[in-house]
Formats: sequence, C-alpha cells, structure tokens
Amino acid sequence: GAVVSQHPSWVICKSGTSVKIECRSLDFQATTMFWYRQFPKQSLMLMATSNEGSKATYEQGVEKDKFLINHASLTLSTLTVTSAHPEDSSFYICSASPRLSGNTIYFGEGSWLTVV
Amino acid sequence: AQKITQTQPGMFVQEKEAVTLDCTYDTSDPSYGLFWYKQPSSGEMIFLIYQGSYDQQNATEGRYSLNFQKARKSANLVISASQLGDSAMYFCAMINQGGKLIFGQGTELSVKP
Repeated sequence: GAVVSQHPSWVICKSGTSVKIECRSLDFQATTMFWYRQFPKQSLMLMATSNEGSKATYEQGVEKDKFLINHASLTLSTLTVTSAHPEDSSFYICSASPRLSGNTIYFGEGSWLTVV
Repeated sequence: AQKITQTQPGMFVQEKEAVTLDCTYDTSDPSYGLFWYKQPSSGEMIFLIYQGSYDQQNATEGRYSLNFQKARKSANLVISASQLGDSAMYFCAMINQGGKLIFGQGTELSVKP
C-alpha cells in the first residue's frame, strides 16, 4: 500500500478560488516533505521544502503567497493554491523520507489540478 | 549549481531488446545520489534504481542496471529485455545534501511490439 498518500487525486476548481492538497506520510514521521509541480510532458520542478513546525522554504520564482504550505504535524503537509488561475492547472506531487532512511524517498500519488 | 541533463526526449525500442537512457549530471558536492524513476501516464513516480556516489559497483535491480561513470559524470539507465509495459516517461534525478531531488527533463520510452 501507499506509504505517502496524497489527496485529492483530481480536483477541478473555479478561477479565483483556493484549493488545498494534502500529503500524508502513513507509516513514518517526516520532518521534511517536498512539493513538486509538473506540466504535461515536462519534468518535475521542486516548488518548496515543507518543514514541520516552521516556515516552508520556497525555490526561486515560486510565489509563497500563492502557494501556501503548512506542515503542522510530523505526518501531514498541505499545499494551498490560492486565488487559482487556469495557468495553475498542473500535476502536483509530494515526497517524503523517513528519518535515518538513507536515500529512501516516497512519493505521493500526485494531484491533478484543473482550474476552469 | 546542480544540474541533471537527459538529452533524449523520446526513444523507441523493440520488445525484448535492450535500451539505454542517457543521463549526465553536474555537481560540486563530493557526496550525492542518483536515481531513476519511471512515470506512467497515471502520474505515479515508480522508483527503479539508486546509485550512491561512493558506490564502487554499478547498481542493478532486476532488468534495470545503472552504468555509472563518475569521471564522465554520467549515470545511464540500461533496461534489458524490454517489455510493452516499460513504455513510460523515465526521469533521472540527483539528491543533494539538503535532501532535494533535482530531476532531468525526462525521456519518453516507447516499446514496439
């Protein structure tokens, strides 16, 4: 079964609304989670590093006020796309690693966002 | 700055033949790790193989092997005995000391019957 669960898998929202995507580690605690964005036929681009109990670290060019990240517990990080626009339509995927796991990385199933 | 480069946007291979997907990287970190992932149309990221920068031997996992040439900074993926189910996007990625994964552009592999 999934070790990292992402929800929802698919979401359609209207322009101007906000949508929240959850990334949950099921069998382990993750002090750090990563959020990626992927456009069709393109690579995964790291958006931000989600840090439990502190502010997320955003990659250059990613608007932190538009993509709100909250990591309130050791098993849950959320990405909220605020005031969504059609150009925000994309595939969003998270990853997490158990502590002391070396280089074991688990990905969520991903979330397809369509803004209409 | 770290960078991963995959120069083959698309590749075709005949079923049951072997195929090599290219990946080169650039980093100044002495310690790093290299991954290959398969991404089918469903979007999930499927881990295939991992190579650590200090590993002496090339990694192998079933039909997957990684041709690691450290001096040339290349980490090509070799898939032996291709199957129709191998058709997908393949991504090479490098993990840095901060735990971030940097991905290449991807290669779309199509296996012909």
